[in-house]
Amino acid sequence: GDSVTQMEGPVTLSEEAFLTINCTYTATGYPSLFWYVQYPGEGLQLLLKATKADDKGSNKGFEATYRKETTSFHLEKGSVQVSDSAVYFCAPRAYGQNFVFGPGTRLSVLP
Amino acid sequence: NAGVTQTPKFQVLKTGQSMTLQCAQDMNHEYMSWYRQDPGMGLRLIHYSVGAGITDQGEVPNGYNVSRSTTEDFPLRLLSAAPSQTSVYFCASSYGKGNTEAFFGQGTRLTVV
Repeated sequence: GDSVTQMEGPVTLSEEAFLTINCTYTATGYPSLFWYVQYPGEGLQLLLKATKADDKGSNKGFEATYRKETTSFHLEKGSVQVSDSAVYFCAPRAYGQNFVFGPGTRLSVLP
Repeated sequence: NAGVTQTPKFQVLKTGQSMTLQCAQDMNHEYMSWYRQDPGMGLRLIHYSVGAGITDQGEVPNGYNVSRSTTEDFPLRLLSAAPSQTSVYFCASSYGKGNTEAFFGQGTRLTVV
C-alpha cells in the first residue's frame, strides 16, 4: 500500500540553524504532496503543497520541491526560529484516494 | 470563519461506556474523515465519508461507528470504550476526494480508564 517515510526525531536545532526534514513516499498514481504542521495542543495546519513534478511549495520561509524521479518532498528552511517548534507531517494524496500521513517529525528549536 | 469544529476538547470515559465525538464544518465540503493520533504512529484513518449518506471504513475502524446525514456533520461513535481507544481524535474535511488539501479540527483528547 501507499506509505511515507520521514525521520521521527526529535530534531533539535539552535535558532537560525538550517533545517531539512526528509520525506520519501510511495503512492498510487500521481499524488499531490503536502506538508502539515502541528503546534502543541492544536490540530494540523497546511504548511505548503505541490501538485506536480518540479513544483516548489513555499510558506513562512519553508520550501519543498516535488521530485517525481526520487519520490521525495524534503522540507527545508534556511533559518529556524523558536516558534517553528512543532511536529511536521509529510502527506501525499492521489486523486480519489485518502491522505497517507507519515509518522511526523518533532522539531525543537532552542534559543 | 469556524472551519472544522470538534467537541468536546477533552473527555474521560470508563471502560464500556459509549459516547459520540462531534464534528461540524461550514465550508460545504463533501469529504470528511476521522483520524486517531497515537505516539509514534502518526495519523491513522478510522472512517471517512465522500458525501451525505455515504461512509466507508479506513485503516482502523473497529470499535467505531459513523453516519453522515448532512453535509455539515460527521459524528464518530464509540460503541463500548476500551483503554486501547485512548488517543487524540481529529476530524478533517476537504473539497471532494480529489488531491486537495484537508482542513483539520482542533482535536479531542480521549482517555478511557
